[in-house]
Amino acid sequence: AQKITQTQPGMFVQEKEAVTLDCTYDTSDQSYGLFWYKQPSSGEMIFLIYQGSYDEQNATEGRYSLNFQKARKSANLVISASQLGDSAMYFCAMRGFSGGYNKLIFGAGTRLAVHP
Amino acid sequence: EAQVTQNPRYLITVTGKKLTVTCSQNMNHEYMSWYRQDPGLGLRQIYYSMNVEVTDKGDVPEGYKVSRKEKRNFPLILESPSPNQTSLYFCASTGLLAGELFFGEGSRLTVL
Repeated sequence: AQKITQTQPGMFVQEKEAVTLDCTYDTSDQSYGLFWYKQPSSGEMIFLIYQGSYDEQNATEGRYSLNFQKARKSANLVISASQLGDSAMYFCAMRGFSGGYNKLIFGAGTRLAVHP
Repeated sequence: EAQVTQNPRYLITVTGKKLTVTCSQNMNHEYMSWYRQDPGLGLRQIYYSMNVEVTDKGDVPEGYKVSRKEKRNFPLILESPSPNQTSLYFCASTGLLAGELFFGEGSRLTVL
């Protein structure tokens, strides 16, 4: 069965510092994708970054990077130079493609608070 | 503008009164899905559809129905809502082999 685990219910970081949000996954699929979404207090889901299982390079999008360690089945999100606007809920998600099955599952989320 | 539109955004209803949450996307996506979000549980998939007339259960389908008669629309039906279906609901869509899932703005449902 596929599973996403985010072990940090809440994190805080000082403004301008870097922070790592942990995500581990479990799947028997050979081909899969990993995502991070941000949910601010307004409620919408904002796509941040994507990593394919066959991508050799870690994905980066501006201040966001995904530390992908395939053997350890981890896909941690690194936010560099945190800003007050980064305070939000962050969800790790995975999409597998085994046998035509096309499902995207989410972790429970990590609430990040950025302090001035 | 590429978007997923769901309505209503907010709804308060009573136990047993049938309701439908509509979802429409303008990106010609094959894949559409419904999720519910509850504190501490993240987003859990209710139903998904890989194309017109093709739907399947997610992790928490009990008490919900869906249909996919047109590619752009994927309504969520609560035939007899109960208080445990009070939640924040998201509709989402993507291409079958694509990456990012596009989300609607969410529908906050309260069942009294």
